[in-house]
Amino acid sequence: DAMVIQNPRYQVTQFGKPVTLSCSQTLNHNVMYWYQQKSSQAPKLLFHYYDKDFNNEADTPDNFQSRRPNTSFCFLDIRSPGLGDAAMYLCATSSRTGKGGYTFGSGTRLTVV
Amino acid sequence: GQSLEQPSEVTAVEGAIVQINCTYQTSGFYGLSWYQQHDGGAPTFLSYNALDGLEETGRFSSFLSRSDSYGYLLLQELQMKDSASYFCAVREGSNYQLIWGAGTKLIIKP
Repeated sequence: DAMVIQNPRYQVTQFGKPVTLSCSQTLNHNVMYWYQQKSSQAPKLLFHYYDKDFNNEADTPDNFQSRRPNTSFCFLDIRSPGLGDAAMYLCATSSRTGKGGYTFGSGTRLTVV
Repeated sequence: GQSLEQPSEVTAVEGAIVQINCTYQTSGFYGLSWYQQHDGGAPTFLSYNALDGLEETGRFSSFLSRSDSYGYLLLQELQMKDSASYFCAVREGSNYQLIWGAGTKLIIKP
């Protein structure tokens, strides 16, 4: 089945220690998104890629970076995680038009200790 | 500015019908989506309305009135597994990005 896969499902990292979250898709969608979601809140868009074109949201902290080496894979790098970065990180994909909705991965729950 | 408003919480009884409303103020409008999210899970796409009227998919229906900047999600024959948060989201431009509402927590009682 075509899908979006995120690894790992749970990630514990130390305060200030760089961490990378990964996402892969088999849907061949042009667009990939990284969202941050905290408890009882809506997902907050961090970045998105249209093919290889990178788009950073204006309020995404510099601490967060992303890479998309090819159509299938996308990575979220948090350079120096703080306690406030503990959240669920969701990867999603969509077609160019967004029709058919977004397909989300199962998310990575990040804990910062 | 851009805003989507939906109730923070709705309670209903198993087997009943519930409607979750969403009003929006955005600079553009291409369509209204609904997503379901169970606790600890990821959002799942439910429906998309680009034109006025009712779209039905099984027990779930979604309605849109562009003149009123309003839509709703209707859930029929409620089951306990429908307990989740429901988000409305507007596609504002010709591209693919969404503006999200804050979500409605649906609580279902036996």
